[in-house]
Amino acid sequence: DTGVSQDPRHKITKRGQNVTFRCDPISEHNRLYWYRQTLGQGPEFLTYFQNEAQLEKSRLLSDRFSAERPKGSFSTLEIQRTEQGDSAMYLCASSLVGTSRHEQFFGPGTRLTVL
Amino acid sequence: AQKVTQAQTEISVVEKEDVTLDCVYETRDTTYYLFWYKQPPSGELVFLIRRNSFDEQNEISGRYSWNFQKSTSSFNFTITASQVVDSAVYFCALAGTGNQFYFGTGTSLTVIP
Repeated sequence: DTGVSQDPRHKITKRGQNVTFRCDPISEHNRLYWYRQTLGQGPEFLTYFQNEAQLEKSRLLSDRFSAERPKGSFSTLEIQRTEQGDSAMYLCASSLVGTSRHEQFFGPGTRLTVL
Repeated sequence: AQKVTQAQTEISVVEKEDVTLDCVYETRDTTYYLFWYKQPPSGELVFLIRRNSFDEQNEISGRYSWNFQKSTSSFNFTITASQVVDSAVYFCALAGTGNQFYFGTGTSLTVIP
């Protein structure tokens, strides 16, 4: 079964460094979402793509964050000049428009720790 | 504004007890979807149910049941005869006519053997 996968599962970095995460959605899914989840909170929407187009970005997404989905398949989320406040679980989800609308399947997440 | 409130932060029950998790939502959209997800200790969110705003029928799936009431903007989740494997954080979520999901802060359920 090829569910949503994310890499790496854990990342420890020093403040000021850049990090990049990868998400591979379910293969036929055309929508891909990024969320951030901090301890004791629910996931917060960051951005989403339909195919390769980035259609919406949250105001939470500062200029240090950038996401791409160049071929409409996998996506990357880059954080530049990381800050301690960026420490969180970064979740990726995918869905297929037209069937089971709005049902999102989540990956296992990438846990980022900024020292 | 879209908002989901899960007032219960933590709940503990003894195995085989029934437990209800509350969810109250706010939206101005006339068409919207409500969801419940389970997040076990492993961390991966697991989809449980989706409900659209035009379908207020309650649903039962095994030991799980959901009560959707538009009049009170609530979408509550009941686990009957709870089991230790039900221990997890449960999130209620709302999606309106846009594509953003709005999650509540979650309810951590502990089932004591």
